[in-house]
Amino acid sequence: DTEVTQTPKHLVMGMTNKKSLKCEQHMGHRAMYWYKQKAKKPPELMFVYSYEKLSINESVPSRFSPECPNSSLLNLHLHALQPEDSALYLCASSQEWGVRGFHEQYFGPGTRLTVT
Amino acid sequence: AQTVTQSQPEMSVQEAETVTLSCTYDTSENNYYLFWYKQPPSRQMILVIRQEAYKQQNATENRFSVNFQKAAKSFSLKISDSQLGDTAMYFCAFMKHDGSGNTGKLIFGQGTTLQVKP
Repeated sequence: DTEVTQTPKHLVMGMTNKKSLKCEQHMGHRAMYWYKQKAKKPPELMFVYSYEKLSINESVPSRFSPECPNSSLLNLHLHALQPEDSALYLCASSQEWGVRGFHEQYFGPGTRLTVT
Repeated sequence: AQTVTQSQPEMSVQEAETVTLSCTYDTSENNYYLFWYKQPPSRQMILVIRQEAYKQQNATENRFSVNFQKAAKSFSLKISDSQLGDTAMYFCAFMKHDGSGNTGKLIFGQGTTLQVKP
């Protein structure tokens, strides 16, 4: 099973709303990632979690708040977003992050977020 | 800093034909990996092929092969016998490593949209 699942598939939210994106994997991976992808652009790394601890925050605004409650689950809490935050949010996971050689990242299908 | 450049925003190919997607990169690192990722419309991004910089032999995966020119910092992807299911956006990507197994983040190029025509 090489599946990373993400819910919801689509999300429309107002600028004053609070919502969360969810990502799950059951491959025993210890690294999980959030990427933001605008239309016809490459993914941009936002956060990396390794062994449930935040390893990388790519200077993401605080209106995005990641959480890794356990090794299988990664959330992204959204609050007071701006219309320019509308994008496809991709989750990925890999066996490890940054150590012990190359570990393939497996991507989820993404959540398409629209901020109105 | 590393950069990855894909100079072809869009390409098309007839079914069963061969197509080559270009990628160049810039780095001062000696140890790194290069990748091609495929992102079909509304579907998951998947890894197509990987090349380790220290390996001179070009990587191949079934109908997909690369032409890795380290000195020229070029890494092109050849798709043979193109199929309709190859229609997707293709990203070239770079990841450094320090030779001790420690790797960095994926750095993507801007992508090439490939349309396979019946």
